[in-house]
Amino acid sequence: EVQLVQSGAEVKKPGESLTISCKGSGYSFTNNWINWVRQMPGKGLEWMGRIKPSDSYTNYIPSFQGHVTISVDTSISTAYLQWTSLKASDTAMYYCVVNPGIQVWGQGTTVTVSS
Amino acid sequence: QSVLTQPPSASGTPGQRVSISCSGSNSNIGNNKVDWYQHLPGTAPKILIHSNDQRPSGVPDRFSGSKSGTSASLAISGLQSEDEADYYCAAWDDSLNGLLFGGGTKLTVL
Repeated sequence: EVQLVQSGAEVKKPGESLTISCKGSGYSFTNNWINWVRQMPGKGLEWMGRIKPSDSYTNYIPSFQGHVTISVDTSISTAYLQWTSLKASDTAMYYCVVNPGIQVWGQGTTVTVSS
Repeated sequence: QSVLTQPPSASGTPGQRVSISCSGSNSNIGNNKVDWYQHLPGTAPKILIHSNDQRPSGVPDRFSGSKSGTSASLAISGLQSEDEADYYCAAWDDSLNGLLFGGGTKLTVL
């Protein structure tokens, strides 16, 4: 069974750094792009970017470029979404998504940024 | 602001057929395939339709998708109370080099 298991909810202060994770299983981790999607409170879905685990090639849409970093550790089949300086506007639910023939979403990670 | 335009809301009574539209441009829907997602509160989104009109295994045939030019549509027939959810279209955008989601449509079953 293809599964993506994300790390737990986080509560942080503005300016802090954060890394959330997404562990894949049941499919070829290296050969399938992993995408990250944001949903801010009361808002719609936004695609942030993706990574190709085989060579760590990434692409982001402009609104996220430079503010987040997507990375992977293929040795443990895990993808990461990282912030170096959080803002209150980063408060959202974050999902990882993979499509190895059948599309699978992680359960989501809630990030709350508040002073 | 999304460049895939969906109506913010739709409604119908049990058993009815409802349709949700998604309007884009040549750089997204006009040149790429469209997916549709169902998002129930407290759960992860679920893909209903991929590649314009293909249903993944397990999705009831009450759900159907179509595309024409730079627009796409999701139809739900035999509406059921459990269909009450948010629905999103999505398509790759060649200019953005990224995936675009529509703004979402909240479906209410009256």
